[in-house]
Amino acid sequence: NAGVTQTPKFQVLKTGQSMTLQCAQDMNHNSMYWYRQDPGMGLRLIYYSASEGTTDKGEVPNGYNVSRLNKREFSLRLESAAPSQTSVYFCASSEWVWRPMGNIQYFGAGTRLSVL
Amino acid sequence: TQLLEQSPQFLSIQEGENLTVYCNSSSVFSSLQWYRQEPGEGPVLLVTVVTGGEVKKLKRLTFQFGDARKDSSLHITAAQPGDTGLYLCAGCLAFMNYGGSQGNLIFGKGTKLSVKP
Repeated sequence: NAGVTQTPKFQVLKTGQSMTLQCAQDMNHNSMYWYRQDPGMGLRLIYYSASEGTTDKGEVPNGYNVSRLNKREFSLRLESAAPSQTSVYFCASSEWVWRPMGNIQYFGAGTRLSVL
Repeated sequence: TQLLEQSPQFLSIQEGENLTVYCNSSSVFSSLQWYRQEPGEGPVLLVTVVTGGEVKKLKRLTFQFGDARKDSSLHITAAQPGDTGLYLCAGCLAFMNYGGSQGNLIFGKGTKLSVKP
């Protein structure tokens, strides 16, 4: 059981280039998320998809777009990469459970992106 | 606005010492989770606490949720080198006025723990 799979694991881009980060989960979860992790900043939510067919902005959506391709897959696109987007990107999925357990998220291994 | 303050940011201790990590907020959470992240990997859930005053133990790790559900602590007894990693707290807001749908998590900035043999 693979859980959450992210590709690629590493990527180097030049400023202005575009790329798509792929994420797939095999746990039949409804909700999926994209985060970025920067030193001293913790995990910040970029976009999320509460269920198939819906996407919403998180805390730091500028410069990104997302597509919920189907229930399994949620991609993150950088249309014109900037050095400020150098970061580690994590995809997560969850089966939102009503209180009291809340939202237990399962994370992929991350994509390490450098924009030169 | 930092909704969830985590401290300390860095902690370097010797094997066998005890330590406590804190997460504090002015917001009320319906639940709070602790994750551990190792280099090159994504965070992995350790525990979820849901009731004010709740205490959960996971071997040498003790997790506590504040009575008012605004804060939490992680205490490690007799730390070992295998405990080294980044510890993250994440709260599920009880009242959704934070730009997201109900159920989104708010993460602290993390505590980077190093346990030396």
